[in-house]
Amino acid sequence: DAKTTQPPSMDCAEGRAANLPCNHSTISGNEYVYWYRQIHSQGPQYIIHGLKNNETNEMASLIITEDRKSSTLILPHATLRDTAVYYCIVRGRFNAGGTSYGKLTFGQGTILTVHP
Amino acid sequence: SAVISQKPSRDICQRGTSLTIQCQVDSQVTMMFWYRQQPGQSLTLIATANQGSEATYESGFVIDKFPISRPNLTFSTLTVSNMSPEDSSIYLCSVRGPGETQYFGPGTRLLVL
Repeated sequence: DAKTTQPPSMDCAEGRAANLPCNHSTISGNEYVYWYRQIHSQGPQYIIHGLKNNETNEMASLIITEDRKSSTLILPHATLRDTAVYYCIVRGRFNAGGTSYGKLTFGQGTILTVHP
Repeated sequence: SAVISQKPSRDICQRGTSLTIQCQVDSQVTMMFWYRQQPGQSLTLIATANQGSEATYESGFVIDKFPISRPNLTFSTLTVSNMSPEDSSIYLCSVRGPGETQYFGPGTRLLVL
C-alpha cells in the first residue's frame, strides 16, 4: 500500500475550519484514502474515506486532488473535542470475497490541537 | 457502523502469566483484526482473524505468543502468552464494516509488571 506523509502537528482556533493535509504521491488506482482519529489513546475513530471524488459526511469533508497524490481533511467548525491524532492512510480495497484486503497501516499522524 | 466491545478494558498482570482479551461485535462480520499500540507509538497490526480459518499473522508476531480464536462471526479472542513488561500495550480489536469501512473497538490497556 502507498505511504502517506502528514505534518507532525497543527493548531486550530475553536470555531474555525481545520484543514489537515496528506501527501500520498505513490497511490495506485484502486487504493482508497482513509482518515481516522484517536483521542486520548481510545480506539481509533473512523472519519471518512474516498477513492476519487470529494466526500462529505456529518463529521468532515475529504478533498482529493485530481491526480490523487494528495488530499485534505476538513473539519468545518473545530471544537476542543476535536483535539486528537489524525491518521491519513492509503489502502487497497477488500476483494469481492471479503477475505483478502489491503492492510490499514498507521503512521505517526498529525496531532491537531484546537485551542479556545 | 459496527459496535465493538472488548473485555477486559484494562488489566495489570504479572510477568510469565497469560491474558485472554475478548472482542464482541453487534453484527456478523467477515474479517476481524487485532492491533497493538505500544506506549507513545502508533498502531501495529498483529493478525487477521477470519471465521473458519487460521489467523494470519504479520511479520514479527507468532501464534505461540498471540494465539487467536474466531469461533463465530461476532466474536474473537486474543491471548497474550507468557507476558513480559515489553507486552505492556493497548490491544485493539477491529472489524470490517459495510463496503470498504473498518472500525475499531475501545481497546484493552495491559500493564505487565
